[in-house]
Amino acid sequence: AQSVSQHNHHVILSEAASLELGCNYSYGGTVNLFWYVQYPGQHLQLLLKYFSGDPLVKGIKGFEAEFIKSKFSFNLRKPSVQWSDTAEYFCAVKGAGTALIFGKGTTLSVSS
Amino acid sequence: GAVVSQHPSWVICKSGTSVKIECRSLDFQATTMFWYRQFPKQSLMLMATSNEGSKATYEQGVEKDKFLINHASLTLSTLTVTSAHPEDSSFYICSARDLVASSYEQYFGPGTRLTVT
Repeated sequence: AQSVSQHNHHVILSEAASLELGCNYSYGGTVNLFWYVQYPGQHLQLLLKYFSGDPLVKGIKGFEAEFIKSKFSFNLRKPSVQWSDTAEYFCAVKGAGTALIFGKGTTLSVSS
Repeated sequence: GAVVSQHPSWVICKSGTSVKIECRSLDFQATTMFWYRQFPKQSLMLMATSNEGSKATYEQGVEKDKFLINHASLTLSTLTVTSAHPEDSSFYICSARDLVASSYEQYFGPGTRLTVT
């Protein structure tokens, strides 16, 4: 069965620090990969997605992610976080089915 | 951009009653809609996949007789929680996939918080 694991449950950073959130998936076929963000009290929003092509994907708000097929990974990065990046981050994968399978999420807390 | 709405945003009901939650795609048509459940500080758990004009496909462990899903049109899917119990209290989120777009991107609704007393 497909699954997604996010390594970090809760990450605490100071403003301007660099961010990397890990995401690994288990599915041997062609995958579509996503990172979603959920700000406090708001609904899920798409940060970025990977379908094919350049494995380094750039999303909104300065986020990027790198797809490494050999490692089944799709880690999210941002060089310098802001207080407004405080949110819940979810990695998701679409494999054989049509639905997205989500990881457990990572809570990012950024202090100013 | 693609917008998905849910109604109501928050509902409180008594144990034993039924509650209907609506999910609408406002500016696009969606042959497929998905229903998720999110517990506090946890991930989204897929409950079922709803296809317009056909029966929903439920994930393992989800009671289809308790969580009734209807997808009667390309812009509306409903989830009815029948004979609700306190353990059904949760955040229910729907998402919709654009019929026209070739990507598998899903657009999420704002969620419905259900509290069963």
